[in-house]
Amino acid sequence: SAVISQKPSRDICQRGTSLTIQCQVDSQVTMMFWYRQQPGQSLTLIATANQGSEATYESGFVIDKFPISRPNLTFSTLTVSNMSPEDSSIYLCSVVWGYGYTFGSGTRLTVV
Amino acid sequence: AQTVTQSQPEMSVQEAETVTLSCTYDTSESDYYLFWYKQPPSRQMILVIRQEAYKQQNATENRFSVNFQKAAKSFSLKISDSQLGDAAMYFCAYRSARWQAGKSTFGDGTTLTVKP
Repeated sequence: SAVISQKPSRDICQRGTSLTIQCQVDSQVTMMFWYRQQPGQSLTLIATANQGSEATYESGFVIDKFPISRPNLTFSTLTVSNMSPEDSSIYLCSVVWGYGYTFGSGTRLTVV
Repeated sequence: AQTVTQSQPEMSVQEAETVTLSCTYDTSESDYYLFWYKQPPSRQMILVIRQEAYKQQNATENRFSVNFQKAAKSFSLKISDSQLGDAAMYFCAYRSARWQAGKSTFGDGTTLTVKP
């Protein structure tokens, strides 16, 4: 299966600042997904990132707050902009692999 | 839109015993995939088992098996001979088989505790 390297694994950030999360895949993949997960809760899809086109955002998520880059078929970044404590969460990237999905190890973000 | 429901927020099982986690889903599609993912405290999402809707035979992976009832839209996970390492949050997920329909719908999860 594909292996995803996600960085950073955790960070503590000041409100009003931005954090960029990176995901590197060891294989070329068409779609990459970005999720947010509150501790102990399910995954909420933020956006789908395809190489060469703008990301598709789910309801409640906007590009200005969560800009995404997808420069090639193995890499993507998600930026959490102008952070507030409500953005404290776990962020995960994922790719379709075979019939299922492979996930990054997650980024635990705490905004203070 | 598809929905996935896990009605058991928490379950517990004695080590070496068997436990079944429930999942129901709603869809108007006939071709799709269903998954069970495990997320231990390390946060890493791990695929436990998958089922293709067109297959009548229930999927099995070692101690993990599913009871797939397509007409009832039910997809339960049975863990046999439970081990301490099975303690985790388990998510049921649905994905359409349509080409380029990449994203999944996840249930709210079931936290499984394994008692020694």
